[in-house]
Amino acid sequence: GAGVSQSPSNKVTEKGKDVELRCDPISGHTALYWYRQSLGQGLEFLIYFQGNSAPDKSGLPSDRFSAERTGGSVSTLTIQRTQQEDSAVYLCASSPTPPGNSPLHFGNGTRLTVT
Amino acid sequence: AQKVTQAQTEISVVEKEDVTLDCVYETRDTTYYLFWYKQPPSGELVFLIRRNSFDEQNEISGRYSWNFQKSTSSFNFTITASQVVDSAVYFCAPTPDQTGANNLFFGTGTRLTVIP
Repeated sequence: GAGVSQSPSNKVTEKGKDVELRCDPISGHTALYWYRQSLGQGLEFLIYFQGNSAPDKSGLPSDRFSAERTGGSVSTLTIQRTQQEDSAVYLCASSPTPPGNSPLHFGNGTRLTVT
Repeated sequence: AQKVTQAQTEISVVEKEDVTLDCVYETRDTTYYLFWYKQPPSGELVFLIRRNSFDEQNEISGRYSWNFQKSTSSFNFTITASQVVDSAVYFCAPTPDQTGANNLFFGTGTRLTVIP
């Protein structure tokens, strides 16, 4: 497809379980971002990948969160030992250049519910 | 330190009214970029406009217009003759023009409800 694809669209998991969220950016986009949006809240930056550079992990809330980007394309956000406060919509975005030069293209998000 | 403020949490207008959404970006940077995004009830964020800090020329696109004033650090967005389809959360997102500044700062958003 032409846009950013995220899967699954919805995920319900039990507290303590691990989850993996997938993001397939637009082909050719070198920059990839993960954000988290809690109900009725703004966007919280999690992690940023740019090409082959080391990712900016400054937004990850705890060491339970990690992300990879394989081959400069698909990215996976992993949350270990999920907690109820992890419940949110996780948004992935990509852009063809670093920030400032072009807008972000967002996926539809993965709604994570931890019971 | 940078700070982006969208003071209006929620706004309701009647269809066909004009509405202005406020955004203030406080920074010591002389060069930066400003974005507005729209998040309709479907959830997907959609890019609306990007402006440079050195370009204060107002822009109009159909029913949308943007007013950027560097002196007051404001980048306001006006919808004229609002429609129900304009109901969404609108985010202002400035980004500094600095090497290593990888994070787009998103405001807390303004929820606009257009009542038919």
